[in-house]
Amino acid sequence: GEDVEQSLFLSVREGDSSVINCTYTDSSSTYLYWYKQEPGAGLQLLTYIFSNMDMKQDQRLTVLLNKKDKHLSLRIADTQTGDSAIYFCAERGKKTALIFGKGTTLSVSS
Amino acid sequence: DTAVSQTPKYLVTQMGNDKSIKCEQNLGHDTMYWYKQDSKKFLKIMFSYNNKELIINETVPNRFSPKSPDKAHLNLHINSLELGDSAVYFCASSQAYNEQFFGPGTRLTVL
Repeated sequence: GEDVEQSLFLSVREGDSSVINCTYTDSSSTYLYWYKQEPGAGLQLLTYIFSNMDMKQDQRLTVLLNKKDKHLSLRIADTQTGDSAIYFCAERGKKTALIFGKGTTLSVSS
Repeated sequence: DTAVSQTPKYLVTQMGNDKSIKCEQNLGHDTMYWYKQDSKKFLKIMFSYNNKELIINETVPNRFSPKSPDKAHLNLHINSLELGDSAVYFCASSQAYNEQFFGPGTRLTVL
């Protein structure tokens, strides 16, 4: 079946790098996504990676994909207090629906 | 110029009532979704429509009935509301298999 796992909490200091990890089970997933949810808000697509890529960089965000181990990570460089949010990893399941992890709450202290 | 909009944003109602949540997208997408986010922030797909046809219907009580009058709208009607239905309901849309855009959510509280 389809399943996505993430650690639930991460705490970092402002200016440090944050790395959020995710594992997924469906090896046929073609796209993997990272969404951000700020308190009381909706889901914002941060970035995504196609399964034939190993890495994707977008400004402070770096996504690494290890397809063999079904492991995805999101690195946020120079983490700011405004990055405090819940980060969801998701894979695209059958029939286009997203299968989400439980979310990682990132707490950034100054 | 909201891409995916939902109404209402907040809904507080009594157990046993029937309520509807509306969703509209102005992106010209052909696929729309309803997701439920529970109190632990876990998100799960409920329904998906493609060109007004139901393509995903997960294990959801039949008290929940989606309706898509046209490609730009997907409404969710809930009968006989129960305490456990309290959650945030998110609508989303995509063009086929491309990335999904989410609405702001509807926070439903059943008393």
